Amino acid sequence: GQQLNQSPQSMFIQEGEDVSMNCTSSSIFNTWLWYKQDPGEGPVLLIALYKAGELTSNGRLTAQFGITRKDSFLNISASIPSDVGIYFCAGRESGGSYIPTFGRGTSLIVHP
Amino acid sequence: DTAVSQTPKYLVTQMGNDKSIKCEQNLGHDTMYWYKQDSKKFLKIMFSYNNKELIINETVPNRFSPKSPDKAHLNLHINSLELGDSAVYFCASSQAGGAGDTQYFGPGTRLTVL
Repeated sequence: GQQLNQSPQSMFIQEGEDVSMNCTSSSIFNTWLWYKQDPGEGPVLLIALYKAGELTSNGRLTAQFGITRKDSFLNISASIPSDVGIYFCAGRESGGSYIPTFGRGTSLIVHP
Repeated sequence: DTAVSQTPKYLVTQMGNDKSIKCEQNLGHDTMYWYKQDSKKFLKIMFSYNNKELIINETVPNRFSPKSPDKAHLNLHINSLELGDSAVYFCASSQAGGAGDTQYFGPGTRLTVL
């Protein structure tokens, strides 16, 4: 089955800094999803991408569906303390199950 | 109003016991799921139900038995609990179980087996 490599595993940044994280897959995907999980809560969808090259923003968050269809990145600009949490990429393999495969997450800590 | 709710939030029990986790969604979705999140935060699909019918069972031990009395509920019963079952279990739902679906997750149930 497909594998998702998400990096970095964790990030420790100062408030106001920009953040970038990415995911790569071993196979072609037709959907990329980015979720955020707050402590003690379930993941919440931030951005969904459905086309190669698609660039989508949600407030200070921007995500892109890679041209090769095997990668995606998420950027957070001007981080604030409430950005703390675990960010997961997830994707659906082209021709595969409708259930997305999740990356292992990027833990983000923002120092005030 | 809570879209996907789970009970209990925390569950501490002894090895060998049988326990259940309940899940309800009020979104009118047709598809529901159970995920297991291990101590390293890896989210792994366990089951998927569409309109009360089992669609996917991802090599989960048969000690785990999901039950869907109606399409708004998907409960998870676990027999003979083992130490390795300790994890956070998330219920989720989506509209139709298709490629364009968005999954909505519950708040999770933290299961600790002693």
